[in-house]
Formats: sequence, C-alpha cells, structure tokens
Amino acid sequence: EPEVTQTPSHQVTQMGQEVILRCVPISNHLYFYWYRQILGQKVEFLVSFYNNEISEKSEIFDDQFSVERPDGSNFTLKIRSTKLEDSAMYFCASGPPPGSPLHFGNGTRLTVT
Amino acid sequence: SQQGEEDPQALSIQEGENATMNCSYKTSINNLQWYRQNSGRGLVHLILIRSNEREKHSGRLRVTLDTSKKSSSLLITASRAADTASYFCATDPQAAGNKLTFGGGTRVLVKP
Repeated sequence: EPEVTQTPSHQVTQMGQEVILRCVPISNHLYFYWYRQILGQKVEFLVSFYNNEISEKSEIFDDQFSVERPDGSNFTLKIRSTKLEDSAMYFCASGPPPGSPLHFGNGTRLTVT
Repeated sequence: SQQGEEDPQALSIQEGENATMNCSYKTSINNLQWYRQNSGRGLVHLILIRSNEREKHSGRLRVTLDTSKKSSSLLITASRAADTASYFCATDPQAAGNKLTFGGGTRVLVKP
C-alpha cells in the first residue's frame, strides 16, 4: 500500500537555525497537510496545501513557517528561525479531496536545543 | 472541554476483552475520524463516520456517532496485544475541509 514518507526521522538543531522537513506524499493525492504534536499534547493542524498554494493555516503557522512543493513529488515545511517551543513531532499527511481520511507519515521528531 | 476530547485517558484490559472509548466535541462536523498511533509512529486511519451516519463497523471496530450529543464511541472487540496503542478521535468541521481537530487520545494497553 502506498505510504507517505518523511525525512529525516529525527532532526536536532540549535535555536535560531533554519530547518527543512521533507515529505513525499502519496503520488495520486492532491491535498497535503502538516500537523504537529508537542510531546504529551494533542496533534495540531498547521497548514493545508492544494494546487500549489496554501488553502488554510492555523494561528501556529506564523511567518516563521513556510511550505513548498518544489517538484512533482516532495512537499516541504521550512522553519526559518527555530525556537525551543518548535520542538515537536511534525507529521505530513496527504489525501484525496477533503472529507476523506488522511494518510500520515511516521513523522519527523524535531528537537531544538 | 475542547473539541475532540476522549475519555478515558487511559485504559488497561486483558486480551480478549472489549475496549470502549468515547469522544466528545463542540462544533458541527462534516465527519468524525478515529486514528491509531503506535508509540513513536504516525497516525493510522481506522474509520470515518459521516455526520449523517449513526454507526459503522470495520472488522473488530465499531464506531457510533450521536450528533445530538456531539459524541462518538469506538469499540474494539476481542482485543489483542497488538491493539496496544493510543487512539484519537478527530473532527472534520463543516466547510473546513480536512482541518482536523484531534482529541488528546486514549492510551490503551492490552495485556496478554
């Protein structure tokens, strides 16, 4: 069964550094998402992306965050200047049109020191 | 409470027993979904129930939805040790396609 793949599985970075989290969605999906889960807390929606533009974003997704689909397969989340509170598990998801289940990757654990 | 709250927060049962967990939510929804998360792994979709459905089955899973009470339940019958995981409900609000709101989850431990 097709899977959403995320790399790296674990990223450690220093505060203030830029990080790029990468995702390869399922090939025939057109809707892409990023969610995050701070340790011990709920999974939170960050952003949805369709037709090469952001369709919706949460309050968390401020100017430090950006997403891009640089080619036909990758979907990236960039955090420009990481903060300690950005430490979390970041999940990429893809899906058919809204109203259908999402397919999640295994996540990237980001640790900001 | 916040959108998508599960209860109990944790559940410990013996293999073969049934596990029931509940989810309450606040706003109108398009559908409600249940996901499973094994420790350190991603979320795996289990079942989706639409707002006009009341009950849905998938293998050993049974989900109910009561939109008048804004609540849902997930029943796992004849549990197995492999069912040990965290289970999350996620609501898909009307007119907000797939901006899922997750609950805090129920941690289920199935003892062999």
